[in-house]
Amino acid sequence: EAQVTQNPRYLITVTGKKLTVTCSQNMNHEYMSWYRQDPGLGLRQIYYSMNVEVTDKGDVPEGYKVSRKEKRNFPLILESPSPNQTSLYFCASRLWTGGSYEQYFGPGTRLTVT
Amino acid sequence: TQLLEQSPQFLSIQEGENLTVYCNSSSVFSSLQWYRQEPGEGPVLLVTVVTGGEVKKLKRLTFQFGDARKDSSLHITAAQTGDTGLYLCAGGPGSQGNLIFGKGTKLSVKP
Repeated sequence: EAQVTQNPRYLITVTGKKLTVTCSQNMNHEYMSWYRQDPGLGLRQIYYSMNVEVTDKGDVPEGYKVSRKEKRNFPLILESPSPNQTSLYFCASRLWTGGSYEQYFGPGTRLTVT
Repeated sequence: TQLLEQSPQFLSIQEGENLTVYCNSSSVFSSLQWYRQEPGEGPVLLVTVVTGGEVKKLKRLTFQFGDARKDSSLHITAAQTGDTGLYLCAGGPGSQGNLIFGKGTKLSVKP
């Protein structure tokens, strides 16, 4: 089954404790990205990657890192989480279909930083 | 800055009613997509429209792309409780090749 997977689905942590949220897709998509979703603010892109070893900042990159060593994986790293990073996070991968993009989202990771 | 504004933000209706939600921008988009997101899940792509004036139907859902490719609408006929969710529109590509998302319309269909 074609899908984007994320782990963990739920995470409660404390300020300053480094964490990684993993993301993997099995559709051989070149483009992957991370979003956070907050009430009233909608989906905001954190980082994106157009291919292996190519990453770039989205709209809200501060406090986050990413890496893209393999095509299928795109982990999100919070080196020193803070309470304002409490949010719902989505990984997504995207395919160009010749006329538009088709974007597939993971199931989400709900992060709480205390 | 490219923005997509969705209206209404919230909509609560009875089962069987019709509804329309809107997605508007001052920018032109090459394509526009609609997603539905259920609580605790990621958004799921419903449809993509790419041609100005294009109309696509998905069972009881009708999607239209404006002639100038700046706006879109989603019409649901005879809403069902299973239509409940957050409806997001997304236009692309943005200046970074990304998708620009609206903030969504939260639809609640009551039995």
